[in-house]
Amino acid sequence: ELKVEQNPLFLSMQEGKNYTIYCNYSTTSDRLYWYRQDPGKSLESLFVLLSNGAVKQEGRLMASLDTKARLSTLHITAAVHDLSATYFCAVDLQIQGAQKLVFGQGTRLTINP
Amino acid sequence: EPEVTQTPSHQVTQMGQEVILRCVPISNHLYFYWYRQILGQKVEFLVSFYNNEISEKSEIFDDQFSVERPDGSNFTLKIRSTKLEDSAMYFCASSGTGINEQFFGPGTRLTVL
Repeated sequence: ELKVEQNPLFLSMQEGKNYTIYCNYSTTSDRLYWYRQDPGKSLESLFVLLSNGAVKQEGRLMASLDTKARLSTLHITAAVHDLSATYFCAVDLQIQGAQKLVFGQGTRLTINP
Repeated sequence: EPEVTQTPSHQVTQMGQEVILRCVPISNHLYFYWYRQILGQKVEFLVSFYNNEISEKSEIFDDQFSVERPDGSNFTLKIRSTKLEDSAMYFCASSGTGINEQFFGPGTRLTVL
């Protein structure tokens, strides 16, 4: 059974600082997604990583994928309050053509002024 | 921009009652999914649906659950006899192909009393 583990689960940081969220998974997959969720809201797609070594950047967020290490990272640069949210990674587990996303537990990020 | 819609946004029901949650996927998408998220927890896969049949389902998706695409636009999740532990946010998602990014709807919050 595929396990997806994020750490840390809770992160409180100051504005202007840098930090990294880690997503480890237990079985082979070369597709990984990062989502953002604000309280009571749906999942907003941030990044789609489709191959080993993929790196994507959008504003202060950068995501990377190392399929050999079964590790993805979400790096936050010079954090601002608006980035406070819960961040989920999700690994695509394809079974006989049917796609199934297995989510990590989520990282609740709080950025303090 | 096309989006997935869900109704109702909040459903309150008594234990043992049947509920139907409705979703309208993005119009040219072919793959449909339901996920659930118990408050404060991670997002869990329930079922995937393609070509009018279930492709994959999780252990959570037992005989009390069913899905249907009754017409060309709606995709429904039915829970026959709700239990207290069914209380959660239910998200519908769709994708264009079996390997494409999934787009999530805003969710239906189900409260079982």
